[in-house]
This record gives sequence, C-alpha cells and structure tokens, in this order.
Amino acid sequence: GAVVSQHPSRVICKSGTSVKIECRSLDFQATTMFWYRQFPKQSLMLMATSNEGSKATYEQGVEKDKFLINHASLTLSTLTVTSAHPEDSSFYICSARAGATEAFFGQGTRLTVV
Amino acid sequence: AQSVTQPDIHITVSEGASLELRCNYSYGATPYLFWYVQSPGQGLQLLLKYFSGDTLVQGIKGFEAEFKRSQSSFNLRKPSVHWSDAAEYFCAVGARSGGSNYKLTFGKGTLLTVNP
Repeated sequence: GAVVSQHPSRVICKSGTSVKIECRSLDFQATTMFWYRQFPKQSLMLMATSNEGSKATYEQGVEKDKFLINHASLTLSTLTVTSAHPEDSSFYICSARAGATEAFFGQGTRLTVV
Repeated sequence: AQSVTQPDIHITVSEGASLELRCNYSYGATPYLFWYVQSPGQGLQLLLKYFSGDTLVQGIKGFEAEFKRSQSSFNLRKPSVHWSDAAEYFCAVGARSGGSNYKLTFGKGTLLTVNP
C-alpha cells in the first residue's frame, strides 16, 4: 500500500510554545488529508479535513485558531498546535487519500506538553 | 449522523483459536466499511474494506469480514489467531461527504489479547 510519513513521532514541548507536525504522502498525491486526535485507550476523533490549496474544514468543537492546518501541496500537510497546554497532550494521527480510494495513515505523533 | 459500535472492549483468545470481532453501524445509506488494526504507539493499518459488491470481503493477514445489511453489521473474523495478531482493532464507517469523498467515523476499538 501507499506510504504516509508523519514527523516527528514524539515531541515534548513547553507550555505556551507551538509545535508543528508534518504529514507526507511519499508515493502518491493526496488530494485530501485528515487529522485525528486519539486519547489513551480511546478511538480516533476527526479534527479536520484539508484539501490541497484550500482552507481546512474543522469538526465541531475543534478550535481552528489553536490547531492550524496547512495543505500547501499534494504531498504535504502540517498541523501546528499553537500556544500548547498540557491538555493538548495527545496522540495525533494524519491520513491521506487520493480521491475516493482508501485512506492511508501515518504512524502518529505523541505530543507531550509540560 | 453515522456511528459505529464495537460492543467488546477487550477480547482474549488462545493462539490457534478462531476470532470474531463485532461491529455494528448506523448510517442512512449504504456505507463504506473498514477494519483497521493498530499496534501500540503506531498508526492504523487497513485490514479490509467494503465499498460494494460481494458482501464477504477478504483482507490481509487471513482476516475476512461480512457485511450484513439487515443487521447493520460488519464483523471481522479469522479462523486461527496468531500471537502477532494481538493489537487494537477499529471498525470504521465512511460517510459520503460530497461526490465520491467520505469521512471516517471510528468505533471505540476492541483490544485483542492472544494467549500462548
């Protein structure tokens, strides 16, 4: 299957700082990318959907000013957690899809805010 | 809105035994259905998917699932479990969101433990 690379796999940041997570589709062009958040022993909650070259669509309850999503090219989307706080600590996973095909997932990023 | 229910939070089976993980969905039209597996601290790997056609779907690693419209179910099965199958399993429904695009809604997952 296609490969989606997510970086970094782990990051620790201080409260009040911002952190950027990258999601790259390595061998296909992703027209749509998704960002999920997963709490311990919980399911994946969709945060936002982004299409290349347009603004992301955020799910209800997700602060768009806090979780900045950029999908500047067909192979790269970034999620920036701005002014991070301990409650933002979580496992963030991206997925990428070309058209109506299956979605491929990155390996996830463990964010810890101290 | 669509939803997915995985009734079993945790299942333990012996290696070599058969496995069935349950999944029920709620969606107003014919859904796209998926099963994913997640190892600790990792992303998700697709086991199999149903878009249309044959309701019995074969996937990777010897898994299969059957779409039963009358029961709104998409249960995952494997005839003989291996120790390496121990992981978290997620069922997901894809709700169409315009054209051929869809958004995934996940169940809460079933943790599979395999005893030697």
